[in-house]
This record gives sequence, structure tokens and C-alpha cells, in this order.
Amino acid sequence: GGIITQTPKFLIGQEGQKLTLKCQQNFNHDTMYWYRQDSGKGLRLIYYSITENDLQKGDLSEGYDASREKKSSFSLTVTSAQKNEMAVFLCASSLGGGQLYFGEGSKLTVL
Amino acid sequence: GDSVTQKQGQVTLSEDDFLFINCTYSTTTYPTLLWYVQYLGQGPQLLLKVTTANNKGISRGFEATYDKGTTSFHLQKASVQESDSAVYFCALVDLTSGSWQLIFGSGTQLTVMP
Repeated sequence: GGIITQTPKFLIGQEGQKLTLKCQQNFNHDTMYWYRQDSGKGLRLIYYSITENDLQKGDLSEGYDASREKKSSFSLTVTSAQKNEMAVFLCASSLGGGQLYFGEGSKLTVL
Repeated sequence: GDSVTQKQGQVTLSEDDFLFINCTYSTTTYPTLLWYVQYLGQGPQLLLKVTTANNKGISRGFEATYDKGTTSFHLQKASVQESDSAVYFCALVDLTSGSWQLIFGSGTQLTVMP
């Protein structure tokens, strides 16, 4: 089996700061995703990538950048952290068919 | 566009109770509907998948079905255990983007009391 590893698990930043989350997968999946999870609001798609160097915006992409320099890694940058962005960010990968494999999440706190 | 609605935010049951969670969906294509489960401190994981081909999915004692007439899909379990306490998300595969994107419901927090 494979695994999705997200780092860091907890990230604390200051308002206005640029913050980066990293994700690694060893499934050898082509597609990777970044979701944001807010309490009571489900999972909302920020960015996804169908192959190395490809980037596609989701519904929540404003205020975020992403990078897919290698097939196995996908990073997400919060360009200017705001207090209302305190949430859990989930990375996932997939071969298709609707089955996504998620990491354990990175919890962002903005002071 | 495609959408999914999950209205039950919290469900509290006792062990051996019957579980029923409902979602409604809207799509112009043949739906592929999924249920994900998220245990505390973990990422979501796929529990069941239902398509127009199979109409029903069964896994770990859970059963998922969908009703095309009412555009709803359900997750049920005859007898829940304390270990089933988790957040359950319904999801719809959105094929309009050309890739396998999921639209998630807002989640149902299930608490099972011993």
C-alpha cells in the first residue's frame, strides 16, 4: 500500500504571512488534490493537478498558489494568511474512479 | 452545475441502533455517488461507491443505495457500534470538468453512545 504524507501537521503563522504546505505520495498516482476543510462545511477544492507541472484551479483557489514539480509531490502556498483561513488542509491523490487517498491533514492557525 | 446537499449535521445514536443518513444530488450526467468516512485525526477514506451500474454498495456492514426518482442517496447500517463514531461525507463525481473531481456534502457527525 501507499501513503500520503503532509508536512507540517500543524502550522502557525501571522496574519499577512506567506505559508507553504507540502504533500508527498508514493502511490505513483497521476492526480493530486488540495482541499480545505472548515468545520460544518465539508471539503472544498482549492487546486488539483492531473500530472507533473499541471495546475488546475478549484472553486476556492483565490489567495492560494500551488506547485507540482514532481509526480510525487504537490505543495500549496497561502499567499497572505488571514484569520478566517484557520482550517484543516487535506492533500489527496487518485488514479481516477472517484477513489481519493487522503493524508491526515495540516491544521493552519493564524494569529 | 452539479451539487450535493447533506442536511444532517449531527446524529447521536446508541449501540445497536439503526443508522440512516441521506443526501440529495443534482447532476445532468449519470451519477457516481460515494460515501467517505473520516475518523478523528485522520483524513477521509472511501467507504462505498454507487453507480447506475450497480445501484447499491456494501462494505463493513454499511449499505449505500440511490434513488434516481428523488435524486437522493442513502447510507445505512443495521446496528451501529461505538467504533462507527466518525464524520460521514457523501460525494458526487463531477465529470463536467473532464477529470475526476468530487463534490462533497457538508458531513454528518455520527456519535454512537455505548
